[in-house]
Amino acid sequence: QKEVEQDPGPLSVPEGAIVSLNCTYSNSAFQYFMWYRQYSRKGPELLMYTYSSGNKEDGRFTAQVDKSSKYISLFIRDSQPSDSATYLCAMNILTGGGNKLTFGTGTQLKVEL
Amino acid sequence: EPEVTQTPSHQVTQMGQEVILRCVPISNHLYFYWYRQILGQKVEFLVSFYNNEISEKSEIFDDQFSVERPDGSNFTLKIRSTKLEDSAMYFCASTRQGGVNEQFFGPGTRLTVL
Repeated sequence: QKEVEQDPGPLSVPEGAIVSLNCTYSNSAFQYFMWYRQYSRKGPELLMYTYSSGNKEDGRFTAQVDKSSKYISLFIRDSQPSDSATYLCAMNILTGGGNKLTFGTGTQLKVEL
Repeated sequence: EPEVTQTPSHQVTQMGQEVILRCVPISNHLYFYWYRQILGQKVEFLVSFYNNEISEKSEIFDDQFSVERPDGSNFTLKIRSTKLEDSAMYFCASTRQGGVNEQFFGPGTRLTVL
C-alpha cells in the first residue's frame, strides 16, 4: 500500500464550481498535512497546512483533515481558470531536524470558462 | 519577494557523466532539501541538509549522490555517474528553521540523461 494516495485526474470543472480534491494515507504517524499547487514547469507552492483534524479556511480554499479515516481534502470555492494547476497533497512527521515531505502523485485540475 | 533559484533550468548529459545541479536558497534559511520528480510520478524526497551535514536521506540517495554547501549562498547536488533513470525534475527547497515551516521550492532543473 502506498503511503499517500491521490487520484491523478485530470479533473475538469466549469468556472465557478466547487472543487473537491482528496488524499488518503496509510501512516498514522503523519502529523502535518499540506496542500501544494504546481503550475506547469514550476516548483510546488504551498497553499495551506493543517495539523489537527477539522477544517481550516483561507479565502476560497478550505483544507479538511480526518485523522481517524486517514483522509484529507482541499475544497476550492468559486473556482477560476487561474486555479488550473496540479494540486499535491503532502504530509510529514515532526522530527528534531529538517522534515521531509511525503507527497501524493498530484491531481491535475482544469477550470474551464 | 525572496525566492529559491536553481540553475540550469535544463541539463542534458550522457549516461555515465557527472552533473552538478545548483541552488541558491533563500538567504536567511537554514534547512535545505533536494527532491526529484520523474515525469508522471510523484515528488520524492532525496535529502535534507542542516548545519553543513546531511540530516536525513532517502533510499534513492545512494553513493552516486552528494550534496554540498560550498559557500554561504549555494547548495549543490552532484550525481557522479548518471544513469538513464536519473532523468527527472530536481527541486531544491529551503526553510527558515526546522519544525513545521513552509518549504519554499525552486523552479526545478530538468535533467535529461541520454
